[in-house]
Amino acid sequence: AQSVAQPEDQVNVAEGNPLTVKCTYSVSGNPYLFWYVQYPNRGLQFLLKYITGDNLVKGSYGFEAEFNKSQTSFHLKKPSALVSDSALYFCAVTPGSGNTGKLIFGQGTTLQVKP
Amino acid sequence: DAGVTQSPTHLIKTRGQQVTLRCSPKSGHDTVSWYQQALGQGPQFIFQYYEEEERQRGNFPDRFSGHQFPNYSSELNVNALLLGDSALYLCASSLTLGGGGYTFGSGTRLTVV
Repeated sequence: AQSVAQPEDQVNVAEGNPLTVKCTYSVSGNPYLFWYVQYPNRGLQFLLKYITGDNLVKGSYGFEAEFNKSQTSFHLKKPSALVSDSALYFCAVTPGSGNTGKLIFGQGTTLQVKP
Repeated sequence: DAGVTQSPTHLIKTRGQQVTLRCSPKSGHDTVSWYQQALGQGPQFIFQYYEEEERQRGNFPDRFSGHQFPNYSSELNVNALLLGDSALYLCASSLTLGGGGYTFGSGTRLTVV
């Protein structure tokens, strides 16, 4: 079955420290990979995506993600966390190869950044 | 440039009733997808509309149906509501089945009592 796993329900980090939110996937082909962020009672905001090329993708608000095909992972990173980064983060992939118009989401990871 | 607009923002319905949720896509987008996000879960794909036709469907019963209009806006209809249908319903728009990425609306919070 095609799936996305975010192994940590919550990640806690101190402001100014680097953060990593993990994501692994199990889909066939060469999927597109995404990270979205969700604030309380709001929709999803796009952070970044990987389609092809450089394995390190830079996105919005200083976030970046590293694609590792052999480990089927797409971890989200930021060198220095801000309290305002506290939110719910979702990893998503398109099943199959390329753009298939459907996103499969992980269950989400709550990021808590403490001052 | 308007993003994705969903209405209403909140809705309370009784079991067995029917509900219609509406979505206006981002300007320039022609594809609309609907997702259900239960509390504490990631969004689940319901279906996608392009050129006024359902193109893909997730694992949802026939009680869930949709429509896309010539102006690309879309409706999600749910019949015979169950308590388990309570969720945040998200609409995402994109260009030509997903090219260029997906823009999400803020969602409609449906509560079934």
